[in-house]
Amino acid sequence: EVQLVESGGGVVQPGGALRLSCTTSGFTFRVYEMNWVRQVPGKGLEWVASITSRGDTQSYADSVKGRFTISRDNAKNSLFLQINSLRVEDTAVYYCARGLGSPDFWGQGTLVTVSA
Amino acid sequence: IVLTQSPGTLSLSPGERATLTCRASQSVGNTYLAWYQHKPGQAPRLVIYSTFSRPTGVPDRFSGSGSGTDFTLTISSLEPEDFAVYYCQQYAKSPTFGQGTKVEIK
Repeated sequence: EVQLVESGGGVVQPGGALRLSCTTSGFTFRVYEMNWVRQVPGKGLEWVASITSRGDTQSYADSVKGRFTISRDNAKNSLFLQINSLRVEDTAVYYCARGLGSPDFWGQGTLVTVSA
Repeated sequence: IVLTQSPGTLSLSPGERATLTCRASQSVGNTYLAWYQHKPGQAPRLVIYSTFSRPTGVPDRFSGSGSGTDFTLTISSLEPEDFAVYYCQQYAKSPTFGQGTKVEIK
């Protein structure tokens, strides 16, 4: 069974940092492109970042470029998102999702709350 | 690419047909459009990819159509578990999602 489990969310002050993790199982992680997608409470979905299967190419939404870093550890079947210089508008549920283009499996998300 | 979904809310009864539309601000071709079902507290679920293809396990009451800038998700006969928010997504360029259509029980 394919499983993606996010962790690392929490409450942080503006300007702070967090590292989100996505632990996966049930599939060959190293062959899939992976993504982070977020949902602001009460709003729609927003693509945040993607990384190729080998981790050699990353792409980011303009809203997070320069502040967020996506990475992966294929030996540990894990995906990460380092989020720095957090803003109130970064408050959202962050989902990891598998696959290029139209991700076919998603985790249940981890909530990041940015508040003073 | 901006995706605009309509209607914002669709109030229907089980057994009825649901038709959801998604319009793109520029062409996304005919293979770079997906639809997701999302229920509160759950992971989004892919129900249509490449405009009209269904992933394994998605019932055939779900169908997708369209090309260019206009796309449709049709649920032929609503089951109780189909009531949810549905998002379209394009991946012709940097991925974007529509704002969602809520399918609610009438």
